[in-house]
Amino acid sequence: NAGVTQTPKFRILKIGQSMTLQCTQDMNHNYMYWYRQDPGMGLKLIYYSVGAGITDKGEVPNGYNVSRSTTEDFPLRLELAAPSQTSVYFCASRSQADTQYFGPGTRLTVL
Amino acid sequence: GENVEQHPSTLSVQEGDSAVIKCTYSDSASNYFPWYKQELGKGPQLIIDIRSNVGEKKDQRIAVTLNKTAKHFSLHITETQPEDSAVYFCAATDPISNFGNEKLTFGTGTRLTIIP
Repeated sequence: NAGVTQTPKFRILKIGQSMTLQCTQDMNHNYMYWYRQDPGMGLKLIYYSVGAGITDKGEVPNGYNVSRSTTEDFPLRLELAAPSQTSVYFCASRSQADTQYFGPGTRLTVL
Repeated sequence: GENVEQHPSTLSVQEGDSAVIKCTYSDSASNYFPWYKQELGKGPQLIIDIRSNVGEKKDQRIAVTLNKTAKHFSLHITETQPEDSAVYFCAATDPISNFGNEKLTFGTGTRLTIIP
């Protein structure tokens, strides 16, 4: 099992550009999550999904969108990138035992 | 929603000594408390967790204790080794949920440095 994979690993965007962060898991987990991690801070939940076709907002959803068309994939869309979105983004999936498994992260810089 | 506070933010310990990290939570209905270890450049990884029906759990050199009355839980690492150096996060489930335990609220992290 590869677990949770994320692409790209790094990305630099200009203000106003858009991009999609990809996340895939091969553990057949229903629950998937997107977090952002800012320096010295914990993980903040952006969006999450409890299964294909079902998504919900987390603590900091503004400026982001998600979709969940399959169990495996949970892409995060950034529209009109802003410097405040500079962060490290982690995708995670959750087992039935409540354990969340994290991907390696995407480091995004918006200039 | 749930609020989790974590202390200290940094901790330096001599190799072989013990390290303790403490977290408090706000909502007495929270029932699941995991601890994650994050090494440089990697995603967090679960190292131990505890549920509200248990007061203590141990896994080799790592233990977690839970005091529901005081609403705090702690991570204990004994006989620390250089590979224990990392950032540690505590978390608690957010009881205000639609589907049950689907959301975690994280502490702000503790950077643990083991001094050889």
